[in-house]
Amino acid sequence: GQSLEQPSEVTAVEGAIVQINCTYQTSGFYGLSWYQQHDGGAPTFLSYNALDGLEETGRFSSFLSRSDSYGYLLLQELQMKDSASYFCAVREGSSNYQLIWGAGTKLIIKP
Amino acid sequence: DSGVTQTPKHLITATGQRVTLRCSPRSGDLSVYWYQQSLDQGLQFLIQYYNGEERAKGNILERFSAQQFPDLHSELNLSSLELGDSALYFCASSPGQNEKLFFGSGTQLSVL
Repeated sequence: GQSLEQPSEVTAVEGAIVQINCTYQTSGFYGLSWYQQHDGGAPTFLSYNALDGLEETGRFSSFLSRSDSYGYLLLQELQMKDSASYFCAVREGSSNYQLIWGAGTKLIIKP
Repeated sequence: DSGVTQTPKHLITATGQRVTLRCSPRSGDLSVYWYQQSLDQGLQFLIQYYNGEERAKGNILERFSAQQFPDLHSELNLSSLELGDSALYFCASSPGQNEKLFFGSGTQLSVL
């Protein structure tokens, strides 16, 4: 079957660095996306990795290792506003480039 | 603002009723997706349309249907509503096929 695994909850301290991991098992792979969702809000796109390596966008970075079927989202200099749920999603090719979603990681930031 | 417009923002109805949710995608986006999100749950993909045609189906119930019109706006019809259909329904759009989705602010459906 197809599945994505990510931790259900991660706690970190304001100003620190946190890494949210995502491992996947899918039929075909075209890329790994990350989305952020605040409580009651809409998911917003953060990043998309199609190739191995690290992509940096400001305080957020996303990493992909296709050989390990693994990726992570790295958040640096954590701010209280980063408290949200983070979803990884794989764009896979067996069924028309559909997105397979993880269950989401709730990031709790403490002052 | 993602550029995706969903109406209404809130909808309260009774069991057995039928409702229609509306979505206008970002200008130029050909793909429209519908997702359901129950309280504290993940995103459940329902259905995708691309340029007016159904492209993919997810876990969409037979009581639910959708369509995309020539002007690319989309409607999601939910009928014979049950208490368990209460959820946040999101529409998203993208230029192509799932490379980057832009989500609307959602419709909060409450079935009483």
